[in-house]
Amino acid sequence: GAVVSQHPSRVICKSGTSVKIECRSLDFQATTMFWYRQFPKQSLMLMATSNEGSKATYEQGVEKDKFLINHASLTLSTLTVTSAHPEDSSFYICSARPYTLAGANNEQFFGPGTRLTVL
Amino acid sequence: GQNIDQPTEMTATEGAIVQINCTYQTSGFNGLFWYQQHAGEAPTFLSYNVLDGLEEKGRFSSFLSRSKGYSYLLLKELQMKDSASYLCAVRDANTGNQFYFGTGTSLTVIP
Repeated sequence: GAVVSQHPSRVICKSGTSVKIECRSLDFQATTMFWYRQFPKQSLMLMATSNEGSKATYEQGVEKDKFLINHASLTLSTLTVTSAHPEDSSFYICSARPYTLAGANNEQFFGPGTRLTVL
Repeated sequence: GQNIDQPTEMTATEGAIVQINCTYQTSGFNGLFWYQQHAGEAPTFLSYNVLDGLEEKGRFSSFLSRSKGYSYLLLKELQMKDSASYLCAVRDANTGNQFYFGTGTSLTVIP
C-alpha cells in the first residue's frame, strides 16, 4: 500500500525558534499534499494544500508567513513553523494524494504525524 | 462551506453492534470517507462511499444517502481494540477535491 512518512515524529523547541517538518511519499508520486493540524480531542483541521511546483493554498485563518510550505518534488513537502509559540503546540499531520488520472478515486494517505511542543 | 456533524462520544459493549452517524452539507460532494484514529496516531482508512447504498468490509460497513446528506459507519462484533476516534470526511469537488473532516466520534468499548 501507499506509505507516507513524516520527520521528525516528535519535536520540542523553545519559543521563537523555527521548526521544519518533512512529509514524504515513499512509494508513489504525489502532486498534491495536504497539511493538517489537530489539537487534543479535536478533529483534523486542514491548514493548506501543497502543490508540487507552485505556491501552497492556505485555508482561511492560517497565516502563510508563519507556516511556510515548500513542495519541492513529487515526493516531498515541508512545513516550517516560523517563530513558534506555545499556542502552536499541536499534532501536525500530512497526507499525500497519488497522481492518478482524472476521475479516479484519488484517496489521501496520511503520514504518522509530528507532535510539536513549544516551550 | 462544509458542515459535518458527528456525535462527540459513544460507548458500546464488547461483541455488540454500534452505528456512528454523520451528516454533512456541501455543494460539491465527491465522496465520503470514514477513518479510524487511535490517540496520538494518524488516521487510517476504513471505507469510502460515493454512491448511495451500503459498502461492507468485514466487520465494518458504511452507508450513504446523498439526498439526505447522511452516512453511517456500522461496527459489528465489537472488540476492545475498536476503542478509537472515528472521523467522517467529505471530499469537495468545488475545492479541488479537498477533504473536510467532522469533529470525530470517540468510541469506547467496554467489557
